[in-house]
Amino acid sequence: KQEVTQIPAALSVPEGENLVLNCSFTDSAIYNLQWFRQDPGKGLTSLLLIQSSQREQTSGRLNASLDKSSGRSTLYIAASQPGDSATYLCAVRSQTGANNLFFGTGTRLTVIP
Amino acid sequence: DAGITQSPRHKVTETGTPVTLRCHQTENHRYMYWYRQDPGHGLRLIHYSYGVKDTDKGEVSDGYSVSRSKTEDFLLTLESATSSQTSVYFCAISPIGDTIYYEQYFGPGTRLTVT
Repeated sequence: KQEVTQIPAALSVPEGENLVLNCSFTDSAIYNLQWFRQDPGKGLTSLLLIQSSQREQTSGRLNASLDKSSGRSTLYIAASQPGDSATYLCAVRSQTGANNLFFGTGTRLTVIP
Repeated sequence: DAGITQSPRHKVTETGTPVTLRCHQTENHRYMYWYRQDPGHGLRLIHYSYGVKDTDKGEVSDGYSVSRSKTEDFLLTLESATSSQTSVYFCAISPIGDTIYYEQYFGPGTRLTVT
């Protein structure tokens, strides 16, 4: 069964800093990986989707990379802002059980003004 | 927000009572999903549907049933609620032209407490 890990569980940074969030998965046989943002008491907002054939995806200040062979993905946030404070989740669509997304438990990010 | 609503948004119920949660979508998506989110476990798939009257089990389906009698509604039922089913429940959809390559979009969630 696919296991997805996100370390650290929580991270605090000063405003303006660039930061990297990490996601690792145990089975490299995946279709894609998706990064989400979740605000307290809210649903999940999709940020970026990377297909298994891609190395990275960019959206504004966000850049997600994927190294499928090593089972790792990173989410890079440039010039962080207090509004970026949220929990960030990664989810992997495995080639087994293809209708299931396997989620990590998230990294809670706090950007300090 | 992909036109997904969930009702109720909050519910407190007693052990042993039946509970039905509703997910409604406005954009005619074929695939719909129910997840639960618990501290330390992330989100886990309960059931999903790939069309009207077509459903299948997910990772944590015990104690839950689902129904989909029309495209826009996907119902999750706890036949006899237990305290272990206290959780936040999320509905999700995949867009039309569904393949495994598409993103999933999530509703706002239902917080269920079983006392």
